[in-house]
Amino acid sequence: GAVVSQHPSWVICKSGTSVKIECRSLDFQATTMFWYRQFPKQSLMLMATSNEGSKATYEQGVEKDKFLINHASLTLSTLTVTSAHPEDSSFYICSARDMTVNTEAFFGQGTRLTVV
Amino acid sequence: DAKTTQPTSMDCAEGRAANLPCNHSTISGNEYVYWYRQIHSQGPQYIIHGLKNNETNEMASLIITEDRKSSTLILPHATLRDTAVYYCIVQSQANAGKSTFGDGTTLTVKP
Repeated sequence: GAVVSQHPSWVICKSGTSVKIECRSLDFQATTMFWYRQFPKQSLMLMATSNEGSKATYEQGVEKDKFLINHASLTLSTLTVTSAHPEDSSFYICSARDMTVNTEAFFGQGTRLTVV
Repeated sequence: DAKTTQPTSMDCAEGRAANLPCNHSTISGNEYVYWYRQIHSQGPQYIIHGLKNNETNEMASLIITEDRKSSTLILPHATLRDTAVYYCIVQSQANAGKSTFGDGTTLTVKP
C-alpha cells in the first residue's frame, strides 16, 4: 500500500508553546488529508479534513485557531498545535488519499504529543 | 456513514483462522465496507474493502452477506503480530478517509 509518513513520532513540549506535526505522502499525491486525535483507550476522532490548496474543514468542537492545518502541496500537510496545554496531550494521526485514484486512505504512524 | 457494531474483544489461537464479524444493517447502496486495524501505539493500517462481492488480498478475506447487512473479516492463519484492534467502517467512496471509528474489536492471538 501507499506510504504516509508523520514526523515527529513523538514530541514533548512545554505548556504555552506551539508544536508542528508533518504528514507526508511519499509515493502518491494526497489531494485530501485527514487529521485525527486519539486519547488513551479511546478510538480515533476526526479533527479536520484538508484539501490541497484550500482551507481545512474542521469537525464540530475542534478549534480552528488552536489547531492550524496547512496543506500547501500534494505531498505535505502540517498540523500546528498552538499554545499547547496538558489536555492537548494525545496521539495525533494523519491519513491521506488521492481522490482521483484510490478509494482508501492510508494512515501515518502517528505522533505522540506530551505537553508538560 | 452507516453505523457498525462489532464485538468488543475476541481471542484466537495462533495459526488458526480469525473471523471478525461486523453488523451494518443500515448500510446504503453506495457504501463500502472498509476494514482497518491498529496495532498498539501505531497508526491504523488499511486491510481490505468491498462493496458486495467477497474480496481477498494478501492480508485477509472479506465476506459480505447477500443483503449486505453484515460482513466478516477473515485472517486465514493468525499470528501473534495480528493482535490489534480491528475497525469495520462503512462509508461511501467519496467519504473514504473521513471515517467514523467505533470502538472496534480487540483481537488477541494467543500462542
